[in-house]
Amino acid sequence: QVQLVQSGSELKKPGASVKVSCKASGYTFTDFPMNWVRQAPGQGLEWIGWIDTNTGNPRYAQPFTGRFVLSLDTSVSTAYLQISSLEAADSGVYFCARAKCGGSCSSDYWGQGTLVTVSS
Amino acid sequence: QSVLTQPPSVSGAPGQRVTISCTGSSSNIGAHYNVHWYQQLPGTVPKLLIYANNNRPSGVPDRFSGSKSGTSASLAITGLQAEDEADYYCQSYDSSLRAAVFGGGTKLTVL
Repeated sequence: QVQLVQSGSELKKPGASVKVSCKASGYTFTDFPMNWVRQAPGQGLEWIGWIDTNTGNPRYAQPFTGRFVLSLDTSVSTAYLQISSLEAADSGVYFCARAKCGGSCSSDYWGQGTLVTVSS
Repeated sequence: QSVLTQPPSVSGAPGQRVTISCTGSSSNIGAHYNVHWYQQLPGTVPKLLIYANNNRPSGVPDRFSGSKSGTSASLAITGLQAEDEADYYCQSYDSSLRAAVFGGGTKLTVL
């Protein structure tokens, strides 16, 4: 069965960096792009971007350009989200989700989420 | 302000039918990009409920249905049950932003 398992919660100080991992299993990793989505506390879903698991090419939503970097290690079927120069506003739950595309891409399987808390 | 507009809340009694609207524009829903719907039960991970406008993934009850017309889409839930109480999000793609976009979410309360 398809599973996406994310790394555990993180508590970081402002200005630090964090790297969230998302390990896929149960399907061929390079057959589906990977979406990343943020949910701030008590808020809705925001699309951060996605990464083409074949080419490694990422695409970012405009608010997430610069400090957010998506990457892969296809040898271990794992996608990564790195955030640098963390700010309090970056606090929230970060989800990876497998992209299923056709017309536009939905997210058919989701990781369990990684809580990132930025606090001094 | 979300690119896709949803009502903040809807409610209905058990057994009733409710609909949740998702209003976009000519650069997303109106540009013929598919609309998808997600259900997020309290404290849980979002779950794909409807994909490509009106398709249900395996295991989703046929009480849930989706439709799309012009620059809007709707999610209908019939035979409302207490377990349907959740947040619902629509999602599409916007060609101007070159990004996937979500609605702001709708909280469904079962009375």
